[in-house]
Amino acid sequence: EIVLTQSPGTLSLSPGERATLSCRASQRVSSSYLAWYQQKPGQAPRLLIYGASNRATGIPDRFSGSGSGTDFTLTISRLEPEDFAVYYCQQYASSTRTFGQGTKVEIK
Amino acid sequence: QLQLQESGSGLVKPSQTLSLTCAVSGGSISSGGYSWSWIRQPPGKGLEWIGYIYHTGSTYYNPSLESRVTVSIDTSKNQFSLNLRSATAADTAVYYCARGGSRPFDIWGQGTMVTVSS
Repeated sequence: EIVLTQSPGTLSLSPGERATLSCRASQRVSSSYLAWYQQKPGQAPRLLIYGASNRATGIPDRFSGSGSGTDFTLTISRLEPEDFAVYYCQQYASSTRTFGQGTKVEIK
Repeated sequence: QLQLQESGSGLVKPSQTLSLTCAVSGGSISSGGYSWSWIRQPPGKGLEWIGYIYHTGSTYYNPSLESRVTVSIDTSKNQFSLNLRSATAADTAVYYCARGGSRPFDIWGQGTMVTVSS
């Protein structure tokens, strides 16, 4: 099983600032089969990024993903008020699909 | 536009079977070669993938739950289902159905809370 470790646990930032979220895998994630999701309170998660760097349909271009192998990053270039939420990475390379524990982006 | 909706019992007694159904609307569950998943989230915690199924009936399960889980599909009703046997309090969670599994989870249901308690 691939364990995904996200850091930091909480990110306190102001609107307009840049957010950088990290996801580290315990083993290489082949073919960059790594996705990022956003979850707001009381809502289902929403797919943001797949294949490590491809934005899902309708996702604003302030969201970008990068990385390969075992280290991946989600960047939000300029935080909008609606971006304050919890973000999860997830791998779909190994037979057991796993999620990271999440990073909460909160208003400073 | 494709939509998913979970339904089932919100309260399950310990040792009994948790059963949920996900109705798919706005498209066929059999088209596009998609897989269909169940994912859960205990209160205040992270996400855990349970398993997924193809329209052919092929299934893939999380090894940690495999001995207690069955995911099935009914293409005539355009829905798929989850059975989780021998439920305990640790199975209390919001349960989501989603399109994906072999691919990223790109469409999710709204989720349904299931509490395991006597």
